[in-house]
Amino acid sequence: DGGITQSPKYLFRKEGQNVTLSCEQNLNHDAMYWYRQDPGQGLRLIYYSQIVNDFQKGDIAEGYSVSREKKESFPLTVTSAQKNPTAFYLCASEAAKNIQYFGAGTRLSVL
Amino acid sequence: DQQVKQNSPSLSVQEGRISILNCDYTNSMFDYFLWYKKYPAEGPTFLISISSIKDKNEDGRFTVFLNKSAKHLSLHIVPSQPGDSAVYFCAASVGGSNYKLTFGKGTLLTVNP
Repeated sequence: DGGITQSPKYLFRKEGQNVTLSCEQNLNHDAMYWYRQDPGQGLRLIYYSQIVNDFQKGDIAEGYSVSREKKESFPLTVTSAQKNPTAFYLCASEAAKNIQYFGAGTRLSVL
Repeated sequence: DQQVKQNSPSLSVQEGRISILNCDYTNSMFDYFLWYKKYPAEGPTFLISISSIKDKNEDGRFTVFLNKSAKHLSLHIVPSQPGDSAVYFCAASVGGSNYKLTFGKGTLLTVNP
């Protein structure tokens, strides 16, 4: 059935390591998004992509990178430059008129 | 600068009563507003939205009211049920080709049986 799949559910990063969070959707949506949620905070936009091979920085893009080689996939890499990566990461895709559908999230922690 | 504010971190109501969640915004360019519901360790799910050309939108037990002059919107849940217990996020966007949603910090609603 249709939806957004994020993997893994939990991820641990060592100092100096890059890690990649997966996001796949089979909803045929053009636009996809990555958000970060910290405790007691709202969702903050990291990157978004409106079409394949194009993406834009959000409000907190530093230390992150993305690619959009296929419509279905929008992976997020948390680089070693991101000094405070511990958070809950949410991927979303957009159906219409800003109605975004979210995956179940990936919780990233630092070892 | 927080453009979407949910000033109540938490709200507790009795089952069967009305829940009212509030949201204020500062950006007068926002013209589309959404409410999302989020359970722990899950992604948010879309609840209801409203365009700035309306002042009310209803969907079953959920009603959203928009007061543009006060830059204020509210979500009413009637009657409240224990399964409504979750964090509710208000979000806003500027229309047209702008895809970005700006979220508030959320309000934790607890509905007591």
